[in-house]
Order: sequence, then structure tokens, then C-alpha cells
Amino acid sequence: EADIYQTPRYLVIGTGKKITLECSQTMGHDKMYWYQQDPGMELHLIHYSYGVNSTEKGDLSSESTVSRIRTEHFPLTLESARPSHTSQYLCASSAYRGQATEAFFGQGTRLTVV
Amino acid sequence: AQRVTQPEKLLSVFKGAPVELKCNYSYSGSPELFWYVQYSRQRLQLLLRHISRESIKGFTADLNKGETSFHLKKPFAQEEDSAMYYCALRGWGKLQFGAGTQVVVTP
Repeated sequence: EADIYQTPRYLVIGTGKKITLECSQTMGHDKMYWYQQDPGMELHLIHYSYGVNSTEKGDLSSESTVSRIRTEHFPLTLESARPSHTSQYLCASSAYRGQATEAFFGQGTRLTVV
Repeated sequence: AQRVTQPEKLLSVFKGAPVELKCNYSYSGSPELFWYVQYSRQRLQLLLRHISRESIKGFTADLNKGETSFHLKKPFAQEEDSAMYYCALRGWGKLQFGAGTQVVVTP
């Protein structure tokens, strides 16, 4: 079934640890996005990608990095986690179909850094 | 620079009453505008897009380029409409969201 998957769903980790949040989509989409969202709050775009080997920073400055080696995979990495990184991270993908472009979202990863 | 503004953080309405969520945008080109909805414990999902001019779950939204607005309306709110609603704009490859409006429909 075509979908977008994020793992893990929940992560509690200590300060200073390196973490990678996984995002994979089986929808054949070219564009992928990472958003940071505190509960019930605004979504902030932190990274996006047009396709393989393309990555761009979003509007919100983030210490995280991303890579896009395969179309379906768009992992986000924090080299050294800090309590300020505690948030929910949403991954999304979209394709251009004529004039209809719609983003599909994963379930999110709720990260807590202690 | 593109920007999406949702001035209301919370909208509380009675069941059966009309509801209108405001969205204003700034963008130099021709925007693609969307409304997304997030129900409790569910994923963020598309509600409707301006290009389709459709009505979904009784909701409609009209793009007003003169006023740079894309307000979401429903004539009779239902309890199941309680959710978080986000206006979004796609421009220059980025999909940018407003701050969101929490809608609470009380019986």
C-alpha cells in the first residue's frame, strides 16, 4: 500500500547522543519535506528536497541535517541532541500532478531529549 | 517572501452554527493554496485545495486574489469538525503552513 512511514514513533534520548529519524515513502513522490511541530502549534519547515541529491534548508533554522540518496528515503540526523530539540517531527511527500499538488504526511516522530 | 497568516488561534462555535476560518497570504506569484486538517490522534491530511473548487465535508474555500485571502467556511458546524485546521501555500518549491486554528464545536 502506498504510504509514508516514519520511525520511530516515539524516542527518548539523552543529551549529546546522535540520532537519525527515518522517513520513507512508497508513493513515488519526488518532493519530500521535514517539519517541526510543537503540540497544537505551527508547523515549521526545516528541510525539503526536490529529488535525489537535492536538499534545501527551510524557514526555521535547524541544527539537523538531511540526505536524499534514494527517492523514497529522506532521513533527518541530529549529531548531538539537546533538550531544545524536543519536539514532534513530521515528514511529508508530494508529487506534481498537473495543477494538483498535495502533500501526504507521516504519523510523526515525537522526540524527547533529556 | 511568502507568508501565511491565520489570525485566530481558537474558534469555538455551537453545533449548527456557521464557522469561518480566516487565512491571508502574501506571495508574489500565483499561489497554490490548501486547507489541511488534523483530527485528534490522526495524521495531518488535506481537506481541500483552491484549484479544485470543491466542497469537502461541507467546507468550501474561495481564493480572493484581490484580498489575498483563502477563508474556509462551513454553514452548519458539526461536532466531528472539531480539529486543528491549517492553511498552506505552495510557492517556489516550499509548502508553508500558517499557525493553525483550533476549532471546537460544542453541542
